[in-house]
Amino acid sequence: GESVGLHLPTLSVQEGDNSIINCAYSNSASDYFIWYKQESGKGPQFIIDIRSNMDKRQGQRVTVLLNKTVKHLSLQIAATQPGDSAVYFCAERWSNTGKLIFGQGTTLQVKP
Amino acid sequence: DSGVTQTPKHLITATGQRVTLRCSPRSGDLSVYWYQQSLDQGLQFLIQYYNGEERAKGNILERFSAQQFPDLHSELNLSSLELGDSALYFCASSPLTGEAYEQYFGPGTRLTVT
Repeated sequence: GESVGLHLPTLSVQEGDNSIINCAYSNSASDYFIWYKQESGKGPQFIIDIRSNMDKRQGQRVTVLLNKTVKHLSLQIAATQPGDSAVYFCAERWSNTGKLIFGQGTTLQVKP
Repeated sequence: DSGVTQTPKHLITATGQRVTLRCSPRSGDLSVYWYQQSLDQGLQFLIQYYNGEERAKGNILERFSAQQFPDLHSELNLSSLELGDSALYFCASSPLTGEAYEQYFGPGTRLTVT
């Protein structure tokens, strides 16, 4: 079916630690994946993306890993800060329709 | 500020009514996307327009329709409203140049159907 699921609904980490948010996707034909961050009262904000021909992409303090064998996507945040507290969504794009499917979201809580 | 604007910010209306949500994309962006976000359904892709034409369709109900105008702004029309249509409606835009797909989201319109 069409679903992108997140393994943990809430992740609580200590400030300064690294965070890993996981996501499973269902469509092996998806060609593009995106991570979004949504703070309370705001629209989703693009964090990082990765195409299906890559397995790793790094940004500023964030890394996305893609494992197509097991259809798994993860977002790693280094040295997590209080400002990282938000809901994180993964999304996959179905290459045949251009349709974007979003996961339910993981809440990241950063403890000072 | 993403550069995407949406109006109105809040909308309260009754069941059976019809509303129009408006979105202005970032300057230069040709693609507009509409999403619905509710507590029990998460973020649901509704529809995408590119340079005035429908490009992709998601879980959009027949009671809903959208269009993109020559100046690239877009409107989402919701009719015969039901209580379950209460949600946040987001618009996003992207340049969609080549393979680029980064989307910039607006602040959303909160629709409450009573």
